[in-house]
Amino acid sequence: GESVGLHLPTLSVQEGDNSIINCAYSNSASDYFIWYKQESGKGPQFIIDIRSNMDKRQGQRVTVLLNKTVKHLSLQIAATQPGDSAVYFCAEIFNTDKLIFGTGTRLQVFP
Amino acid sequence: EAQVTQNPRYLITVTGKKLTVTCSQNMNHEYMSWYRQDPGLGLRQIYYSMNVEVTDKGDVPEGYKVSRKEKRNFPLILESPSPNQTSLYFCASSWSSNQPQHFGDGTRLSIL
Repeated sequence: GESVGLHLPTLSVQEGDNSIINCAYSNSASDYFIWYKQESGKGPQFIIDIRSNMDKRQGQRVTVLLNKTVKHLSLQIAATQPGDSAVYFCAEIFNTDKLIFGTGTRLQVFP
Repeated sequence: EAQVTQNPRYLITVTGKKLTVTCSQNMNHEYMSWYRQDPGLGLRQIYYSMNVEVTDKGDVPEGYKVSRKEKRNFPLILESPSPNQTSLYFCASSWSSNQPQHFGDGTRLSIL
């Protein structure tokens, strides 16, 4: 498959444990944030989003937390499964049309 | 099935030989965008389009052109490719710029 990054920070977790992936964003004026998952050989896939007027949003097995004070975003995955192994990107949008991606974190799930 | 389709998926070519990577979406999205993905640099936006006949530069537009003559298609053109354009390219679309984007599966370009 395609390699999306040879020098990505890597998070290794055991199957069934919870995962927390962190992201520091760059612009205090950003008002919309998205987490994407990228599997080998595929394009990024939307996981969950959050607007700047919220500090927490939950989906199915995933939760995004937003701390605007320190410009920090996190993605929590509950009961991590082998299928969660991928590279995860955060993205921020400001000025309604500028989308900036983080460099990504590789999540490895081992049995 | 809702999808963004890029062609070709892989291409090896030589410096200076013009090439076009096509992108088509079947979701009637207004917003489309091109990105390149390089190790350690993540995804960087090349060009985007808010609607038909409306295109704007992203963060790394040098050496690229785009057109948006119809809503579903957004081709990326490299008039005179150079080795520093060797990369993995993604096309994406969404209803608007502040909505989650749907991505194609990527085009691996190698410029020798």
